[in-house]
Amino acid sequence: NAGVTQTPKFRILKIGQSMTLQCAQDMNHNYMYWYRQDPGMGLKLIYYSVGAGITDKGEVPNGYNVSRSTTEDFPLRLELAAPSQTSVYFCASSSGTSGETQYFGPGTRLLVL
Amino acid sequence: GNSVTQMEGPVTLSEEAFLTINCTYTATGYPSLFWYVQYPGEGLQLLLKATKADDKGSNKGFEATYRKETTSFHLEKGSVQVSDSAVYFCALVDNDMRFGAGTRLTVKP
Repeated sequence: NAGVTQTPKFRILKIGQSMTLQCAQDMNHNYMYWYRQDPGMGLKLIYYSVGAGITDKGEVPNGYNVSRSTTEDFPLRLELAAPSQTSVYFCASSSGTSGETQYFGPGTRLLVL
Repeated sequence: GNSVTQMEGPVTLSEEAFLTINCTYTATGYPSLFWYVQYPGEGLQLLLKATKADDKGSNKGFEATYRKETTSFHLEKGSVQVSDSAVYFCALVDNDMRFGAGTRLTVKP
């Protein structure tokens, strides 16, 4: 069981470039999440998904897009990178909401210059 | 809306000292409460959780009790170790999930 995996680990982007952060889980979880973590701040929810084909906005969705074509994968797309998107991005999954534990990937560190 | 407030860090303790990290919350419903821990260079891991009032979560010597009357979920450990050095996040799940800002703990030998 690999759990939640994320690629790449680190990436430098130029302003205006685009990229996709990959996230995959092998626990057959229906719920998946994308967060960003800025220095000294807690995690902010960007987007989440309750199952294949279903996604919804979180607290800070602007500048990002997601898709969920399979249960396993939940990629995050940045279309026009901006310096404000410099952050560490975490993907997570869970079997449900409410009292269920979220399992986190190791994170992707993104620097936009 | 829902929110979580936890004590600001950093916190520096000597080995075997008592630890308290305060966490209070605001929620419109009846949330589940969590403590997550993040070791350097890693993602968050669940430390403990409580899903209803008066529940006590515990793990690895850490404890926290869900106090509805004070809307609190303070994290405690009786004797910290160097290996407990990490960032600790309080979180709640109601209709959405909210995290506190995190508290960095450093334990010195």
